[in-house]
Amino acid sequence: DVKVTQSSRYLVKRTGEKVFLECVQDMDHENMFWYRQDPGLGLRLIYFSYDVKMKEKGDIPEGYSVSREKKERFSLILESASTNQTSMYLCASLGPHTEAFFGQGTRLTVV
Amino acid sequence: SQKIEQNSEALNIQEGKTATLTCNYTNYSPAYLQWYRQDPGRGPVFLLLIRENEKEKRKERLKVTFDTTLKQSLFHITASQPADSATYLCALGGAGSYQLTFGKGTKLSVIP
Repeated sequence: DVKVTQSSRYLVKRTGEKVFLECVQDMDHENMFWYRQDPGLGLRLIYFSYDVKMKEKGDIPEGYSVSREKKERFSLILESASTNQTSMYLCASLGPHTEAFFGQGTRLTVV
Repeated sequence: SQKIEQNSEALNIQEGKTATLTCNYTNYSPAYLQWYRQDPGRGPVFLLLIRENEKEKRKERLKVTFDTTLKQSLFHITASQPADSATYLCALGGAGSYQLTFGKGTKLSVIP
């Protein structure tokens, strides 16, 4: 089975901190994604990557950056965390039939 | 701009009945449509994919239809069970694109 693993289930960070969310997939997928999910707003795409060192902005990239140094790892970086970035963050990789495999999610609270 | 609407935020049905969830879209010509299940506090799990040239897909108690003229997909769960209670998301993808656009989901509750 495909496994997408996010480094933390729950995180609490302070305003202004630099935050790293890590995601690893074990199926050699080329495409990886970061979403955030908020009540009433659904899943919104932050960034995606279609290859190592390649990245594209999604719908809401402001305040975020990403890193993909290895094929299996895709990191989301909050440069300076703010309270409006409190959310559930979901990483996904794309399988050969365009199905998305999601991690278990990281619930980030910025205080 | 693209818009995806899932018919309702919440749907309650009696155990054993067929649950029907709707996904409508505008300003989009998807090459395929997918359905996912999401349990509280978890990531979505892929269920089914249907392509634009397909009318219907089935998998066990699940059935998906895709009407590109009506710009609508229907997702059916037959003989529903309390374990089917979850939020169901539809997602659209375009030809040559790896991005998926998700609906906000419908929370299904199957009452014993």
